[in-house]
Amino acid sequence: SQQGEEDPQALSIQEGENATMNCSYKTSINNLQWYRQNSGRGLVHLILIRSNEREKHSGRLRVTLDTSKKSSSLLITASRAADTASYFCATYRGSTLGRLYFGRGTQLTVWP
Amino acid sequence: GAVVSQHPSWVICKSGTSVKIECRSLDFQATTMFWYRQFPKQSLMLMATSNEGSKATYEQGVEKDKFLINHASLTLSTLTVTSAHPEDSSFYICSVSSGHRSTDTQYFGPGTRLTVL
Repeated sequence: SQQGEEDPQALSIQEGENATMNCSYKTSINNLQWYRQNSGRGLVHLILIRSNEREKHSGRLRVTLDTSKKSSSLLITASRAADTASYFCATYRGSTLGRLYFGRGTQLTVWP
Repeated sequence: GAVVSQHPSWVICKSGTSVKIECRSLDFQATTMFWYRQFPKQSLMLMATSNEGSKATYEQGVEKDKFLINHASLTLSTLTVTSAHPEDSSFYICSVSSGHRSTDTQYFGPGTRLTVL
């Protein structure tokens, strides 16, 4: 079953702008991960943030985690047309090894 | 990261036939693989967890007899959709867990597009 929700469901921006996507979840987690999926392809892992971390950076990606609000955000700075994809958050609860619960995803479109 | 392949990448079959999808972990041994299905513009729904050398663990609502999973080796898991029907048309994706720690990530195959006529 799905764990949470991302918002917005769809986001359309111009190249160079920042894109922010949010994810909410319902239960306690061990870590939260963000994945990217290009149309008709598999998922690519972007970044993992543990439950005891509040912020993490990787290149143009910045992820925050607020466990009190059960929410996370993914910020892509200086977006490029190649960033166009669907972005999913997934939570790991720790109860079943490897089992991830995915959100509904945000479809990001970056216009050149 | 790990390299995961799936075969075939797409398949079209007639209603009532069975289709086998392979998931291979190319560069490390995977004791656990996961099978997901994804409908257009929707999220991934976990179907089952495939464990090497033992029976798969199916999610609630997934028919075991319809979606047969075999994880016969540490590098190969197969999903067989038996007596496929048009409603089984979907995008099937497998993933491999990179290890046994909670911070380990999953590596996904490129997916298999199944169309049942």
